Amino acid sequence: QVHLVQSGAEVKKPGASVKVSCKASGYTFTSYYMHWVRQAPGQGLEWMGIINPSGDRTSYTQKFQGRVTMTRDTSTSTVYMELSSLRSEDTAVYYCARSRWGYSLGGDYWGQGTLVTVSS
Amino acid sequence: DVVMTQSPLSLPVTLGQPASISCRSSQSLLHSDGYTYLNWFQQRPGQSPRRLIYKVSNRDSGVPDRFSGSGSGTDFTLKISRVEAEDVGVYYCMQGTHWPPAFGGGTKVEIK
Repeated sequence: QVHLVQSGAEVKKPGASVKVSCKASGYTFTSYYMHWVRQAPGQGLEWMGIINPSGDRTSYTQKFQGRVTMTRDTSTSTVYMELSSLRSEDTAVYYCARSRWGYSLGGDYWGQGTLVTVSS
Repeated sequence: DVVMTQSPLSLPVTLGQPASISCRSSQSLLHSDGYTYLNWFQQRPGQSPRRLIYKVSNRDSGVPDRFSGSGSGTDFTLKISRVEAEDVGVYYCMQGTHWPPAFGGGTKVEIK
């Protein structure tokens, strides 16, 4: 069955960077897009961006443009999301979610989430 | 950017009774390809989101048939025909027609 297993919780200082991983199994990794969505404590879902199946194309929302980088490693079936210049407002649970046809249908399977805490 | 507005914010429901959640978009979600990319997600307490419905009314595999989606253009509804205890959580609509994709603010379903 499909599994998306994310890396563990992180605590970072303001200005630092964080890199969250999402390891996929149970399906053909190179046939699916991966989304990243975040959720601040007690808040709703915020869509961040997407990486295509081959990893040569990414699209980020304007809010995160310049601060986020999404990559994928087909040899390990892992997708990465790196967020730089962290500030306290970036404290959130970050989710990866896969999709077959781009962003239109949202993610049909989601990772368990990774809590990133930004605090001095 | 398209703004998604859900109502109500909170929905107390008696077990076995129906529930209805509204989602409105600031622009029509009818895509030039003829499809309407309005999706619904459920997030149970302490869990990751789970997609329930895609393209307005298509239930995902394993989703009970008490969940149904309807609507068109800018006005959409998620209905639960008879609420069960496991339905407690927050429900989000999400549009995927226009860039960037966007979620509604969420509707919290709780048992009275």
